Amino acid sequence: GAVVSQHPSRVICKSGTSVKIECRSLDFQATTMFWYRQFPKQSLMLMATSNEGSKATYEQGVEKDKFLINHASLTLSTLTVTSAHPEDSSFYICSAGQGRTNYGYTFGSGTRLTVV
Amino acid sequence: GESVGLHLPTLSVQEGDNSIINCAYSNSASDYFIWYKQESGKGPQFIIDIRSNMDKRQGQRVTVLLNKTVKHLSLQIAATQPGDSAVYFCAVSGNKLTFGGGTRVLVKP
Repeated sequence: GAVVSQHPSRVICKSGTSVKIECRSLDFQATTMFWYRQFPKQSLMLMATSNEGSKATYEQGVEKDKFLINHASLTLSTLTVTSAHPEDSSFYICSAGQGRTNYGYTFGSGTRLTVV
Repeated sequence: GESVGLHLPTLSVQEGDNSIINCAYSNSASDYFIWYKQESGKGPQFIIDIRSNMDKRQGQRVTVLLNKTVKHLSLQIAATQPGDSAVYFCAVSGNKLTFGGGTRVLVKP
């Protein structure tokens, strides 16, 4: 079945630095990838939709200049948390779809970001 | 927009008993629903899905029921096992997924 690989699984960074998270579709081409953020004991909140070769679409309240998304190929999307602050500490999860609606997207294993 | 909610935040169940997790959604035009299982520190894992032209679908030890009249769906887990302990989310799928708040299932031995 479809596999999505996310890296790193855990990262600790200093406040003010930037962190890049990668999301790869291993056995299919993902025209659309999604980035979610999940705080402890809460649900997944969609941050942005990443379409290959075009600009990402951000959800309301998500700062596009802080959370940079690049989807340069059909198998890779990256999320860069710029100038990270402790409040950005969260669990970030990506998912990938194959370009059609009503698709039960495949999720990566998540990245635990801790900003100290 | 779509909102999806859950009736119970935590469900404690005895091993071997059946579990029922409920979910409500707001958009009557929604036509594809998915249940996910999330274990601690991992991404969501697909369990079962159902389209609006069905009211019941069964998988291995799991059944999803959809009541479009009251915009409600449920996930039933038969003979709950310790490995079923996790957080369960319902989600509505369209151009993007909208998740419910999640229910934590704790299986007591």
